[in-house]
Amino acid sequence: EAQVTQNPRYLITVTGKKLTVTCSQNMNHEYMSWYRQDPGLGLRQIYYSMNVEVTDKGDVPEGYKVSRKEKRNFPLILESPSPNQTSLYFCASSYRDRGYEQYFGPGTRLTVT
Amino acid sequence: GQQVMQIPQYQHVQEGEDFTTYCNSSTTLSNIQWYKQRPGGHPVFLIQLVKSGEVKKQKRLTFQFGEAKKNSSLHITATQTTDVGTYFCAGAGGYQKVTFGIGTKLQVIP
Repeated sequence: EAQVTQNPRYLITVTGKKLTVTCSQNMNHEYMSWYRQDPGLGLRQIYYSMNVEVTDKGDVPEGYKVSRKEKRNFPLILESPSPNQTSLYFCASSYRDRGYEQYFGPGTRLTVT
Repeated sequence: GQQVMQIPQYQHVQEGEDFTTYCNSSTTLSNIQWYKQRPGGHPVFLIQLVKSGEVKKQKRLTFQFGEAKKNSSLHITATQTTDVGTYFCAGAGGYQKVTFGIGTKLQVIP
């Protein structure tokens, strides 16, 4: 089954404790992206990747890191989480030649206390 | 940078009434996509529009892309309770940069 998976689905952590949210897709997509969703703000792009070892900042990259060492995986790293990073996070992937129709993962709800 | 405005932010309709959400971009878009997110779910792709003036239909849903490729709309005819959710437009300026609208949350009253 074609899918995008994220782990964990829910996470409660404390300020400053490094964490990683994993994202994996089994569709051989080149393009992957991370979004955060906050009430009243919609979906905002954090980082995206056009292919292995090619990443770039989205609209709200501060406080986040990403890496793309393999085509299928695109982890999101929070080196020192802060309460303003409490949010719902979505990973998405797409074929470049599909006009970037994006397939979204189920989401990770992160709470930073 | 590129901005995509979407209105209204919320819409309550009686079942059977029509519904429309609008998107406007600050820049010319190469394409625009529409997604639906059910409560508690993730965004799901509905359709993509590429050509100036393009109109596409999916059953009761009609999607339009403006002549200048800066605005778009989604119209639902005779809403049903299954239409409940948040509808997002997403504009692509360059092929790697996608900007989502804030979304329109649709509530359908039976």
